[in-house]
Amino acid sequence: EVQLLESGGGFVQPGGSLRLSCAASGFTFTSHAMSWVRQAPGKGLEWVSAMTGDGTTFYADSVKGRFTISRDISKNTLYLQMNSLRADDTAFYYCVRPHCSATSCSRADYWGQGTLVAVSS
Amino acid sequence: QSALTQPASVSGSPGQSITISCTGTSSDVGGYDYVSWYQQHPGKAPKLMIYDVTTRPSGVSNRFSASKTGNTASLTISGLQAEDEADYYCCSYRSGRTLGVFGGGTKLTVL
Repeated sequence: EVQLLESGGGFVQPGGSLRLSCAASGFTFTSHAMSWVRQAPGKGLEWVSAMTGDGTTFYADSVKGRFTISRDISKNTLYLQMNSLRADDTAFYYCVRPHCSATSCSRADYWGQGTLVAVSS
Repeated sequence: QSALTQPASVSGSPGQSITISCTGTSSDVGGYDYVSWYQQHPGKAPKLMIYDVTTRPSGVSNRFSASKTGNTASLTISGLQAEDEADYYCCSYRSGRTLGVFGGGTKLTVL
């Protein structure tokens, strides 16, 4: 059974940093792309970033240059380093195992339970 | 470019059928068979219900079906049940983008 468990969310001031983690189990981590999708409270869904199985990374324009996706294969863990955080980054961040081609990800097959990031002064 | 367009809300009575639309352009919904649908209950993570326009993942009820005509994809739920009350989101590949684009979401109320 595919399981995705996020951690690392919390409250942070504007301009601050936070690192989210996603512990994955139930599948071969290196064989699958992984991604992050966020949802502002009461709002819709937005793809944030993805990493394909071969390590290619994708970012939404809204986070490019501020967020970095990475993984630790030895720990079956996905990360999202978030720097220069802004109020509009406030959202639930979901770890997702997507279905991706070599050049894009547009289907979210499995979802974690989400972790809340709140950016406020 | 904006998100895909969905109605803000739809409603139906138990046993009835409802359809949720998702309108895009020839650069996304109309141009590719990469439309997926997600169900999200309050306080829960979304769940994949349909992918590649019409395909149901294993375990999803056959009361859920989907189709596409031109630039509009549609999700139909037949035999409406109370447990179907949730938010529904569509998502599509969009040409030139590396990440998919979601619709704004539709709140389904079972009367």
